Amino acid sequence: DQQVKQNSPSLSVQEGRISILNCDYTNSMFDYFLWYKKYPAEGPTFLISISSIKDKNEDGRFTVFLNKSAKHLSLHIVPSQPGDSAVYFCAASPTYFHPDNYGQNFVFGPGTRLSVLP
Amino acid sequence: ETGVTQTPRHLVMGMTNKKSLKCEQHLGHNAMYWYKQSAKKPLELMFVYNFKEQTENNSVPSRFSPECPNSSHLFLHLHTLQPEDSALYLCASSHSRAMARVNYGYTFGSGTRLTVV
Repeated sequence: DQQVKQNSPSLSVQEGRISILNCDYTNSMFDYFLWYKKYPAEGPTFLISISSIKDKNEDGRFTVFLNKSAKHLSLHIVPSQPGDSAVYFCAASPTYFHPDNYGQNFVFGPGTRLSVLP
Repeated sequence: ETGVTQTPRHLVMGMTNKKSLKCEQHLGHNAMYWYKQSAKKPLELMFVYNFKEQTENNSVPSRFSPECPNSSHLFLHLHTLQPEDSALYLCASSHSRAMARVNYGYTFGSGTRLTVV
């Protein structure tokens, strides 16, 4: 069973509007989350992260929101640009400071393909 | 060249062939990973090396054989693959397994698109 879910395989948004990509997780031990962006024929690249001590992290046009009680995070892109068209992966890591989780790997979601239409 | 470099970018092989995928990083990282990406599936972790020692094998079939001769190089040796093994194989690195969180996760290569015929 997938521990990190991205239930929308694809999303289309008009240029200039807001893109909202969602991610849900099941493991309550996850406390650090990343978003990666992947263009065709390239590897995923780091976009933005959030720790569970925060509920929001902003970097330019990108904002990630975390709702711990709902085990849900979302990535907002505003305004969306055609160059944002890519696959976006959500990844989660269990708490670093629990000895059972020391050095545990990131768990990735299946990705959401975002298309920003001009 | 900087970052994580994977060769070849594309590979077509028959089920009886033997081939190898190569990954190289010049980031000074000590942990390296092989991931498999199949269509519409999450990235699947295959192998982890930390300071040249294999620390994880995620129930990967023996037709996939990793090798890590030093912290900068990682290979994936392939033999007698099946058509369902066709996928994008991604290499990644991090400062170490434990420090991946501190340093924003992994740095990925561009991948090798493998087709088994």
